[in-house]
Amino acid sequence: DAGVIQSPRHEVTEMGQEVTLRCKPISGHDYLFWYRQTMMRGLELLIYFNNNVPIDDSGMPEDRFSAKMPNASFSTLKIQPSEPRDSAVYFCASSRTGEYSPLHFGNGTRLTVT
Amino acid sequence: RKEVEQDPGPFNVPEGATVAFNCTYSNSASQSFFWYRQDCRKEPKLLMSVYSSGNEDGRFTAQLNRASQYISLLIRDSKLSDSATYLCVVNINTNAGKSTFGDGTTLTVKP
Repeated sequence: DAGVIQSPRHEVTEMGQEVTLRCKPISGHDYLFWYRQTMMRGLELLIYFNNNVPIDDSGMPEDRFSAKMPNASFSTLKIQPSEPRDSAVYFCASSRTGEYSPLHFGNGTRLTVT
Repeated sequence: RKEVEQDPGPFNVPEGATVAFNCTYSNSASQSFFWYRQDCRKEPKLLMSVYSSGNEDGRFTAQLNRASQYISLLIRDSKLSDSATYLCVVNINTNAGKSTFGDGTTLTVKP
């Protein structure tokens, strides 16, 4: 089991640029989550998918953020245009349906917007 | 009021000490509960689930009090390697779905 794979590990970009974060969930997991973590706000759920369908995107900060899951093995989180306040660690996590099924997190993408 | 609240600490304890963390949640419909551990600059990892009857895993004991809407984590005989941030997690459903994380409690175990 390769675990949840995220790319890139680090991203440094200038304000106004488009940023795309990528995630490959664990095979067989039917839930995928995007979280953002900062010192000030802790770990925030941005959006989650079940069977590739977005279920709850109420945590997405604003229209500059969008997420897609075109198939069961791939998801993207896009920020366009990026702003310095978007600087954070973005985690992707997956889980399977089942009682007390835990979240498995990827290593995260550390995003810095200058 | 936050949905899940934890004492941020930090807790600084000597090796071998027993330390306990509490976490309160606001939604009485919450169904499943977890403790995760997060090391500095790493991803959160599941430490243990918290069952209604309470459960133990080695030096770690988790308890749930539904009436008072809190969960607890007890660490006995703490080790240097226990130094981390401990995150309380609450789900409305038992079958995966949306998890709400507390802000975490930081523990430092010193020699």
